[in-house]
Parts: sequence; C-alpha cells; structure tokens
Amino acid sequence: EIVLTQSPATLSLSPGERAILSCRASQSISSLLVWYQQKPGQAPRLLIYDASKRATGVPARFGGSGSGTDFTLTINSLEPEDFAIYYCQQRSNWPVTFGQGTRLEIK
Amino acid sequence: QVQLVESGGGVGQPGGSLRLSCAASGFTFSSYGMHWVRQAPGKGLEWVAAMSYDGKREYYADSVKGRFTISRDNSRNTLSLQMNSLRSEDTALYYCAKDPYGNTWYADFWGQGTLVTVSS
Repeated sequence: EIVLTQSPATLSLSPGERAILSCRASQSISSLLVWYQQKPGQAPRLLIYDASKRATGVPARFGGSGSGTDFTLTINSLEPEDFAIYYCQQRSNWPVTFGQGTRLEIK
Repeated sequence: QVQLVESGGGVGQPGGSLRLSCAASGFTFSSYGMHWVRQAPGKGLEWVAAMSYDGKREYYADSVKGRFTISRDNSRNTLSLQMNSLRSEDTALYYCAKDPYGNTWYADFWGQGTLVTVSS
C-alpha cells in the first residue's frame, strides 16, 4: 500500500498570503495525484487531478505541481473561503490511499 | 447537474448488517465508475470500495474485504453497499462518489454522505 504523508499538519496563515502544502508518496506514483478540499460539514471537493490539472470551476489561485514522490499544492493570495482541510490522494495503485490531511487555518 | 443522494445509514449492531444506497441523477450513470468512501468522526478519508461502469469489476479496501459488497443497477441509476459483519471501526460517514471516467480511481462529484454508527 502506498503511504501519503502530508505536511504540515496545520498551516496558519492570513488572507492574502500564499499557502504551500506538501504531499509525499512512499513510492513513485508518476503524476497520478489528486487534491481535494473539505470544509466543515461538507463533502470533499475535487481541486486538482493528475498533479497539476485544475478541476472545472476551481479558481486559478490553486495550483498543483510535482511528480514521482513529491507534490505541492499552492494557493496564491488566500481568500477567506480557502481555509479548510486539504487531502491528497494517489490513484496509481489499488488500494487508493489518502494523506492524513493538512488543516489550513486563519492566523 | 450531477446529484448523488445516499441513504440507508443508521445504527447497526456489531456483527449485524446495513445496506446503503446512492441515487444518482444528472449524468449517464452507466458510463461512469462509482465509489464508496468513508470518514470516521473527526478523521480523514478512506476509500472503501469501487465498481467499474459496467459492474464487471469491483475493488475493496482490505479493511472491508469479505464483509462489504458493492453493486450497481444501471437501469435504476443506483449504487449500493451491502455491509455485513459490522464492527465498531466501521462507524463513519459514508460518501458515494462518481469517477470522472469509467475507472480512473478518483472522484469528481460526491454526495453529502450517510452516517453509519455501529453500536450495541
């Protein structure tokens, strides 16, 4: 099973700042990495697939990068609605696995 | 627009059974893979089971293999999860989720979930 490790566990930033979230895989997953956003009481929302492709309707301030084992989700100029939990997920091997999440909170 | 509505959650006894359903609308159900993903209270996400668009292939997490069965009825646009031999660790919010294609192992739309509590 591929283990995904997200860092940091919690990130405290202010609106307008840039957020950089990391996801590291225990073995190479090529570019088969997905990012989701989850707000309290809501279902996850697809943000990024295949490491760098934005899903439909996702604002351009969200960007993904990386390949192999190291991946990054960057959120430029944070908006109040961006404060949430972010999960990465690999779709390279079954079982599909998620990272433990990064909580992005308002400083 | 895509809608996924889960039902069937509730309280189940350890060792007992529950059956979850997901009613899909707003897309051609028979063309897309479907998934069940769960989230224990205050915890992260865990992929539970997946089924190909035609129902011919099914996949399970080790934690539920042999106890849970995923199925679909393409004539009724419905996805199901039969949960047997329930354990306390199965307590979670269960999401139905749509694959963006036939079988790409991620989800572009999610339902709001149905809560399963396993307790005596």
